[in-house]
Amino acid sequence: KQEVTQIPAALSVPEGENLVLNCSFTDSAIYNLQWFRQDPGKGLTSLLLIQSSQREQTSGRLNASLDKSSGRSTLYIAASQPGDSATYLCAVHNAGNMLTFGGGTRLMVKP
Amino acid sequence: SAVISQKPSRDICQRGTSLTIQCQVDSQVTMMFWYRQQPGQSLTLIATANQGSEATYESGFVIDKFPISRPNLTFSTLTVSNMSPEDSSIYLCSGQGGNRGNEQFFGPGTRLTVL
Repeated sequence: KQEVTQIPAALSVPEGENLVLNCSFTDSAIYNLQWFRQDPGKGLTSLLLIQSSQREQTSGRLNASLDKSSGRSTLYIAASQPGDSATYLCAVHNAGNMLTFGGGTRLMVKP
Repeated sequence: SAVISQKPSRDICQRGTSLTIQCQVDSQVTMMFWYRQQPGQSLTLIATANQGSEATYESGFVIDKFPISRPNLTFSTLTVSNMSPEDSSIYLCSGQGGNRGNEQFFGPGTRLTVL
């Protein structure tokens, strides 16, 4: 059974700092991996999708990497802003089209 | 790209009653899913909504408690039956396929409080 772990569970940084969020998964037989953002009490916004054959994806200040063989992904946020404060969720896509989610990293960017 | 809406956005219900949540996608998708997010927790898949047939439920979730319909490629409902306070959660609908390919995308969620 796939298990997804995110470290750290919470992170507080000053504005402008570059930061890395970590995601690890136990079963490397994945189709793809997605990073989501969730604001308090809201739904999920898809940030980046990395196919299993890809090593990284970039969108603006966000860069996600995938090392399938070691079961790891990182989300890099450059020049963080207070508006980046949210919970970031990593989810892996296995057979059967189901997503398995990590517990999330709660990010606070202080002005 | 496709967008998902959910109704209601939130509700407060009495114990023992049932609530039906609607999920509408603005374009056809292959797959639709229902998730639950309990307070302070991550998301747990309840079931895959199958068009024209019974939903596929994950371990710990049963049809009698969470009946699901999916009459076409853009619409699904989830009913939370005989509610108890333990059912207080955010319920999220997601879609996959269509013009967004392999990406799974989510509705805004329905925040349910059971008294």
